Amino acid sequence: DAEITQSPRHKITETGRQVTLACHQTWNHNNMFWYRQDLGHGLRLIHYSYGVQDTNKGEVSDGYSVSRSNTEDLPLTLESAASSQTSVYFCASSATGVGETQYFGPGTRLLVL
Amino acid sequence: AQSVTQPDIHITVSEGASLELRCNYSYGATPYLFWYVQSPGQGLQLLLKYFSGDTLVQGIKGFEAEFKRSQSSFNLRKPSVHWSDAAEYFCAVGARNTGTASKLTFGTGTRLQVTL
Repeated sequence: DAEITQSPRHKITETGRQVTLACHQTWNHNNMFWYRQDLGHGLRLIHYSYGVQDTNKGEVSDGYSVSRSNTEDLPLTLESAASSQTSVYFCASSATGVGETQYFGPGTRLLVL
Repeated sequence: AQSVTQPDIHITVSEGASLELRCNYSYGATPYLFWYVQSPGQGLQLLLKYFSGDTLVQGIKGFEAEFKRSQSSFNLRKPSVHWSDAAEYFCAVGARNTGTASKLTFGTGTRLQVTL
């Protein structure tokens, strides 16, 4: 069955370190998204991609970057981790087309000390 | 810009009782509307979505939602709640004019507790 996976599932890091969160999907979807989930804020869009070599900033992109070198993967990099980036991070993917369902991964819980 | 309001942060219902979770949206035209459910420690799962046509939408697990344009609402309902429905529920709105994919804007969520 097609799926979307995230790794690691839990991560503890220190302020100032670079961190990369992996997202891999086997749906063959062109569209991929990264969200962060914080209490009282719901899910907020960090970055998204409509295909290989395409990346776009979302609502809360400061301090984050992504790159898309193939269809299956969209890694999220925190260039210099800050305590404000402690959160749960979700990756999602969808087929091409407006209104297509987004399928979510299980999430990565990140703690920045 | 689109936005979603879920006015109830936390709701408690008894098993077997009916449920209605409220969702109000702000968007300049008819949006795409979604309800997702998140069980503890899990990702989000789609319950149902509205694109066009019949304003009463049926979803999985016995849920339904009704799009009311005049009230800018898309409330989620279930006639009889099961203990396994305890979870967090998110309403989301997507624009119709965004090229190849609809970016979603999520509400802050409603946590449902079910008492036995």
